[in-house]
Amino acid sequence: QKEVEQNSGPLSVPEGAIASLNCTYSDRGSQSFFWYRQYSGKSPELIMFIYSNGDKEDGRFTAQLNKASQYVSLLIRDSQPSDSATYLCAVNGYGNKLVFGAGTILRVKS
Amino acid sequence: GAVVSQHPSRVICKSGTSVKIECRSLDFQATTMFWYRQFPKQSLMLMATSNEGSKATYEQGVEKDKFLINHASLTLSTLTVTSAHPEDSSFYICSASILFNEQFFGPGTRLTVL
Repeated sequence: QKEVEQNSGPLSVPEGAIASLNCTYSDRGSQSFFWYRQYSGKSPELIMFIYSNGDKEDGRFTAQLNKASQYVSLLIRDSQPSDSATYLCAVNGYGNKLVFGAGTILRVKS
Repeated sequence: GAVVSQHPSRVICKSGTSVKIECRSLDFQATTMFWYRQFPKQSLMLMATSNEGSKATYEQGVEKDKFLINHASLTLSTLTVTSAHPEDSSFYICSASILFNEQFFGPGTRLTVL
């Protein structure tokens, strides 16, 4: 079992819709969870991080964490074509390392 | 804030030569810097973790004599790919973090070895 799992996609949503990206992790001791966005040929950029169970909202983005289910998700409201990218879920590991999922490709169609 | 730079952004070299990549945290002091490699259509692969003034910790399968890491200060880490070969061609990305907080990534360096 991979440590951090994501559906590779592609996830296709129409412009203006809500995109829902999901991630599960195996280490129950994980405390910090991150969502990064990566455009093709570019390095990842941090979108959000979440430490506590529940929802955390930042603009059009909402991160949701459920530690009991070892599940973290990212919702993107009012999706725009510019949101089309690969979204990487990352979980903190030993020694301040991040363990990345393989990423979900999101395509927002106008 | 939290800007990380990398230099060069792109490098092409001949097989057998060495290439140095610099990673700098511009507006903060990073307690830890990380080096990743990413092949096309694959996720990030952590190569090593670097703390200022101490030896880097390499991930399993990463040759420490081939990928030399120097972390001279809290704002600068360098990765040297020694005796580069075509299979070393990849996208190399550094990141920097403060204590146990989020990592901020540099823009990456695309290495092509001919």
